[in-house]
Amino acid sequence: DQQVKQNSPSLSVQEGRISILNCDYTNSMFDYFLWYKKYPAEGPTFLISISSIKDKNEDGRFTVFLNKSAKHLSLHIVPSQPGDSAVYFCAAITGKLIFGQGTTLQVKP
Amino acid sequence: DTGVSQDPRHKITKRGQNVTFRCDPISEHNRLYWYRQTLGQGPEFLTYFQNEAQLEKSRLLSDRFSAERPKGSFSTLEIQRTEQGDSAMYLCASSTPPGRQIATNEKLFFGSGTQLSVL
Repeated sequence: DQQVKQNSPSLSVQEGRISILNCDYTNSMFDYFLWYKKYPAEGPTFLISISSIKDKNEDGRFTVFLNKSAKHLSLHIVPSQPGDSAVYFCAAITGKLIFGQGTTLQVKP
Repeated sequence: DTGVSQDPRHKITKRGQNVTFRCDPISEHNRLYWYRQTLGQGPEFLTYFQNEAQLEKSRLLSDRFSAERPKGSFSTLEIQRTEQGDSAMYLCASSTPPGRQIATNEKLFFGSGTQLSVL
């Protein structure tokens, strides 16, 4: 059972435009969510997080939005840069991190 | 380099052989995790340690898998009688939560992983 789902395996955007990566979850008891970024041949690195008591958290070009009623969160990257090209995982904490399947973002120059 | 270190980076083995991976966490981190990632999937939790105590094991961790962290520092993950389905990236991560339970804001620091190929 996939408790955290990223239904878009890939996303391609033009440099300077907005990238929106989506994530859905099934367990309403999840109360903390994180986004990790992964480059090839490297481990995932923490990007940004959000608590369920908030609906938005911003850090520079990265903003995460949480819609608890829809059990949905999204990561916005504005403006997108070629160096943002990577696999992005959303994750929820429930005693351990549970990851989604990942979305491969390609930012074209 | 003070990050999480994993060795080896790559391992090719024949089916039925035993393999062992090592993870050195960030020195002040008392919690250590093992995850497995296959192509097109996110990392899947295998097990974690608080210091030398193994606190949780996933049902993914069959009896062919064993993990140890004898002195609460480095950890090893051994797979006995490897099968082709064991081929994956094995990731180690560490953290330092304030208490026994995982804090809701706990951030894991991952190593670069060990890529296992079972032929």
